[in-house]
Amino acid sequence: DVVLTQTPSTLSATIGQSVSISCRSSQSLLDSAGNTYLYWYLQRPGQSPQLLIYLVSNLGSGVPNRFSGSGSGTDFTLKISGVEAEDLGVYYCMQATHAPLTFGSGTKLEIK
Amino acid sequence: QVTLKESGPGILQPSQTLSLTCTFSGFSLSTYGMGVGWIRQPSGKGLEWLANIWWDDDKYYNPSLKNRLTISKDTSNNQAFLKITNVDTADTATYYCARSYGPYVMDAWGQGASVTVSS
Repeated sequence: DVVLTQTPSTLSATIGQSVSISCRSSQSLLDSAGNTYLYWYLQRPGQSPQLLIYLVSNLGSGVPNRFSGSGSGTDFTLKISGVEAEDLGVYYCMQATHAPLTFGSGTKLEIK
Repeated sequence: QVTLKESGPGILQPSQTLSLTCTFSGFSLSTYGMGVGWIRQPSGKGLEWLANIWWDDDKYYNPSLKNRLTISKDTSNNQAFLKITNVDTADTATYYCARSYGPYVMDAWGQGASVTVSS
């Protein structure tokens, strides 16, 4: 199975600070058709996960544009440009290029 | 508006079969490209994908659960189902269903159903 390694495991930020979360894959997530199936989700405390980014860099519906995704191959990044209080929670990357679909272990964002 | 809601037994004993239902609205599993996935999360831990079913009845499973999983759907009643046979305490988790499309963009999730396996 593809292993997704997220760093850091915990992140502490002040309101307005910009932060980045890394997701590194044990295999390239580029498929033979040129697609990269890498997604980002946020799980707020006590809530279900919600989609933030799909296919590396596409913003989910209704997701604020302070969130952005980038990367290719095995290295991917989620950036939050100006953290807001509602951004606290656990961020997960997920890949669907290789079966079975797998998630990273999560990055917990705390607000100082 | 897309909504999904999971339902299950709450508590069951080891070796029993877990049956989960996902009842959804706002989309149809007869629509090209649509699917429903099941994902679980033990308390305080990460997410584990279990299975997906698609509009054309294609089914995909996580091989880590070997042959214990069966996913199905009832398109006319807007429901998807997941069965897990021979459960043990390691299957204790919150089980989520999620709408999937294009592929595996899981853009809407249910609130989750808590399942405890205990003797």
